[in-house]
Amino acid sequence: SAVISQKPSRDICQRGTSLTIQCQVDSQVTMMFWYRQQPGQSLTLIATANQGSEATYESGFVIDKFPISRPNLTFSTLTVSNMSPEDSSIYLCSVVGASRFDEQFFGPGTRLTVL
Amino acid sequence: AQSVTQLDSHVSVSEGTPVLLRCNYSSSYSPSLFWYVQHPNKGLQLLLKYTSAATLVKGINGFEAEFKKSETSFHLTKPSAHMSDAAEYFCVVIGGSQGNLIFGKGTKLSVKP
Repeated sequence: SAVISQKPSRDICQRGTSLTIQCQVDSQVTMMFWYRQQPGQSLTLIATANQGSEATYESGFVIDKFPISRPNLTFSTLTVSNMSPEDSSIYLCSVVGASRFDEQFFGPGTRLTVL
Repeated sequence: AQSVTQLDSHVSVSEGTPVLLRCNYSSSYSPSLFWYVQHPNKGLQLLLKYTSAATLVKGINGFEAEFKKSETSFHLTKPSAHMSDAAEYFCVVIGGSQGNLIFGKGTKLSVKP
């Protein structure tokens, strides 16, 4: 299993500003994922972050809005840029188990409110 | 493309009665399917997973799910609901080559005393 921590756990931000969310894993993992859960909604994949390569973004998400860093095998950051109230969501990072068919482990999430 | 459809957005049961949360999947190959639970203000927890082994999968907290290829279903069941089961449940399939998950819209389970 993997233990994942995220910082901050929650934040309230003003529109037009940016917030960087940190994700720390207690073991080395190749693939990390960033998801968004809008209020009352399911989870949607934002991007896949592999160490040593550019993040791969899903349709509807762009690097300028959600830049991702993956400096090593245990850490990643997601920045939500130029925020608007529509960005109010829970942002979660996750990692895959031993194989891609294995369970994914999720961080506790970062609850973001944009005013 | 892989997808899952949760047929009920909200299910309400009485404590001690059976639970049935329905999920249908669409897949061009043998899927890997999961059920996750999310308690209010808590993180996501894996209940159980199907990865082409036994079709009846037993999970934590008395939950189980049966993979039925003929019906493209993966319904979640529990014989007797407990108050602590009240939560949001997500049916999930592995969607891409890198293992990213595709989530259903979720079913909110309410348990009445």
